[in-house]
Amino acid sequence: GAVVSQHPSRVICKSGTSVKIECRSLDFQATTMFWYRQFPKQSLMLMATSNEGSKATYEQGVEKDKFLINHASLTLSTLTVTSAHPEDSSFYICSAGVTGPGADTQYFGPGTRLTVL
Amino acid sequence: AQSVTQPDIHITVSEGASLELRCNYSYGATPYLFWYVQSPGQGLQLLLKYFSGDTLVQGIKGFEAEFKRSQSSFNLRKPSVHWSDAAEYFCAVGTSGSARQLTFGSGTQLTVLP
Repeated sequence: GAVVSQHPSRVICKSGTSVKIECRSLDFQATTMFWYRQFPKQSLMLMATSNEGSKATYEQGVEKDKFLINHASLTLSTLTVTSAHPEDSSFYICSAGVTGPGADTQYFGPGTRLTVL
Repeated sequence: AQSVTQPDIHITVSEGASLELRCNYSYGATPYLFWYVQSPGQGLQLLLKYFSGDTLVQGIKGFEAEFKRSQSSFNLRKPSVHWSDAAEYFCAVGTSGSARQLTFGSGTQLTVLP
């Protein structure tokens, strides 16, 4: 149980284009989803927290107009990188939160490798 | 604010040897603690977690971790390492009341020698 998928797993795009990444919780409902960014050989940096039906909360330094997050349902959150540039190339990972008494846990998707040419 | 320190950037062990990965945290209240493993180009897989109760936690793949409040530590152990355990390991601390805000350590890369 608690499987999270991401699509696509890998995407290459030209500079200036927009890219959408989907994150789905396959066998559970997630009221909260998270988006992380990971640079090579580094840890995960939280970009934003997404709650179903409300606006995402962005971490300091993350441009909300550049990284658009939509959490339209309890099983789907999307991250759109708008007007992508080479510096946006990174590994993007989402997670979905399973909540409960003493049971809050994040389950992670397999990640999306974005390369901007 | 909470923080997590993984002092060892890279650890190399021989297959069959025991393993201990260190994790120290800083958090004012009772922490929620996690260990995740990441294989190259993959997402994170939860190994184990600690919220309360027994301070020795058993996880998947034969891993265990011990919460020591006095040392602010949550070290990960495995008695006999397998070649398939080679990966990056992340310790994380969650804020009180939820795992909705995780702070990750910098990770420890594990290499397993045949």
